[in-house]
Amino acid sequence: SQQGEEDPQALSIQEGENATMNCSYKTSINNLQWYRQNSGRGLVHLILIRSNEREKHSGRLRVTLDTSKKSSSLLITASRAADTASYFCATANTGNQFYFGTGTSLTVIP
Amino acid sequence: GAVVSQHPSRVICKSGTSVKIECRSLDFQATTMFWYRQFPKQSLMLMATSNEGSKATYEQGVEKDKFLINHASLTLSTLTVTSAHPEDSSFYICSAGLWGERDEKLFFGSGTQLSVL
Repeated sequence: SQQGEEDPQALSIQEGENATMNCSYKTSINNLQWYRQNSGRGLVHLILIRSNEREKHSGRLRVTLDTSKKSSSLLITASRAADTASYFCATANTGNQFYFGTGTSLTVIP
Repeated sequence: GAVVSQHPSRVICKSGTSVKIECRSLDFQATTMFWYRQFPKQSLMLMATSNEGSKATYEQGVEKDKFLINHASLTLSTLTVTSAHPEDSSFYICSAGLWGERDEKLFFGSGTQLSVL
């Protein structure tokens, strides 16, 4: 399968809480990216972490990468109702082809 | 950020007809575009990588003759679903790659919901 695995598949939290989702992948990568998808729409790039980086921040987003375990996590702090969406990790191989994980559906309850 | 336009957003067609979906990069040149297929509540499955001026590279299990991809210019790639059948009903999304000195990102179209009756 070209897909990586993400967990949890679905996550429901209260507004203001932190949301953590995890991604595992299978092959060697150049970088790992996280994308967000609102229902029935295209995806929006959130953040990229390179294979030689371990942690990266962008606003309320924090991404970690453990290449030895082939895993990454995305933390959204102080969640808002507008964060409700599906989140996908994507890995880029040396051929610059992108493969997406199975996704986490996040619901933030106001 | 870069904008990718995908058209149409929704199409309903009869079984046996062909459907063309367009993907345009509006404010940048995209040498590489990607076509994905997504079933409800599932992830994106890469169908093919489209390179301007050359033949597309299809993923394993994707029929080349069924899903015709043309990338004739640096701003336009098209996906034609030929002789569509109900099992081809799905959400199709294109994306264009933008390779910077340090970053590679995908910019996505808004998707096309194809329903084959």
